Amino acid sequence: AQKITQTQPGMFVQEKEAVTLDCTYDTSDPSYGLFWYKQPSSGEMIFLIYQGSYDQQNATEGRYSLNFQKARKSANLVISASQLGDSAMYFCAMREYGREKLTFGTGTRLTIIP
Amino acid sequence: EPEVTQTPSHQVTQMGQEVILRCVPISNHLYFYWYRQILGQKVEFLVSFYNNEISEKSEIFDDQFSVERPDGSNFTLKIRSTKLEDSAMYFCASSGVYSNQPQHFGDGTRLSIL
Repeated sequence: AQKITQTQPGMFVQEKEAVTLDCTYDTSDPSYGLFWYKQPSSGEMIFLIYQGSYDQQNATEGRYSLNFQKARKSANLVISASQLGDSAMYFCAMREYGREKLTFGTGTRLTIIP
Repeated sequence: EPEVTQTPSHQVTQMGQEVILRCVPISNHLYFYWYRQILGQKVEFLVSFYNNEISEKSEIFDDQFSVERPDGSNFTLKIRSTKLEDSAMYFCASSGVYSNQPQHFGDGTRLSIL
């Protein structure tokens, strides 16, 4: 069964610093995708970045990058030069190819301090 | 940028009543989904829908739930006889056909059962 673990319930980071949000996963399927979503206090779910299990390089999208370590089954999100607007819940999610559902972790609440 | 729209943003219903949550997925997407998030908890998959039929569902999606695509643009979730524990944020999402394409979420409908 697929499982996502986010061990940091909350993090406080100084503005302009980089932050790493941890995500580990468990699956027996060799083909899968990992996704990160941001949920601001207003409640919407915003897609940030995707990493495929066969991708050779770590994904990057602007200030977001993914530190993908397949052997360790981890897919940590790195936010560079954090901004006040980055304060939100961040969810890691996984989808096994051949299935439609996303399985989410419990999330990390990130607070950026001015 | 195209987006998933959900109505209403907030629905208050008496226990035992039927409720219909509505969604307009992104127009060129072919997969549609419903997820729910009970307050303070992680996002849970309910159902996926493709080619006018359910393609995958979770154990949460029991006989009191149903989904429908009544026309070419809307996608609905019906809860037949609501219970107190159905109170949650319900998210609609849509995606393209490939597994590496992200699911794009709407802003959610907050359902409150009294």
